[in-house]
Amino acid sequence: KNQVEQSPQSLIILEGKNCTLQCNYTVSPFSNLRWYKQDTGRGPVSLTIMTFSENTKSNGRYTATLDADTKQSSLHITASQLSDSASYICVVTRLLGSGTYKYIFGTGTRLKVLA
Amino acid sequence: DVKVTQSSRYLVKRTGEKVFLECVQDMDHENMFWYRQDPGLGLRLIYFSYDVKMKEKGDIPEGYSVSREKKERFSLILESASTNQTSMYLCASSGMTANTEAFFGQGTRLTVV
Repeated sequence: KNQVEQSPQSLIILEGKNCTLQCNYTVSPFSNLRWYKQDTGRGPVSLTIMTFSENTKSNGRYTATLDADTKQSSLHITASQLSDSASYICVVTRLLGSGTYKYIFGTGTRLKVLA
Repeated sequence: DVKVTQSSRYLVKRTGEKVFLECVQDMDHENMFWYRQDPGLGLRLIYFSYDVKMKEKGDIPEGYSVSREKKERFSLILESASTNQTSMYLCASSGMTANTEAFFGQGTRLTVV
């Protein structure tokens, strides 16, 4: 079954600390893996996108890794800020026939950064 | 710098009403999507469209229909709103190939009373 699982469900950290969010997937055929940040009541905003051949990608204080062999990804946030408080969603793109594709979403990790 | 715009942030409708949610993108994207997002369930695909006048059912199409008369506009229609359709609705658009960036609208919080 094509699934994306994220852990932990929620996380609380102090401002300035680092944290790592996990994503495991069983999606096939795989095209790419994306991480999105979603502020409460808003639409998701893209952080990174990685294809099969990429194993790390950074966007400022956000660094995503991908191990396509074990089908795992992580999102590392460095020196967290209050504005990092949000839900982080892992999304895997599954290839369908005829050149079309489908996004498979994880349920997200809710991060709270405390002052 | 707005790329995907949904017509309403918040909507309150009565049971049985016909509801229209509009989405417009300015990136000339071929693909457009409608999702609903509920706590603990993640985003679930309702319908998607890969071209004008084309539509495909997603995972939860029951009770919904869509319209795409122009490339930039994708409408979601609730024929007869019910309380179990209370949710956050998100529109997204992306290019033709699987590795293109996908952009989401700001979401519409629909409450059916």
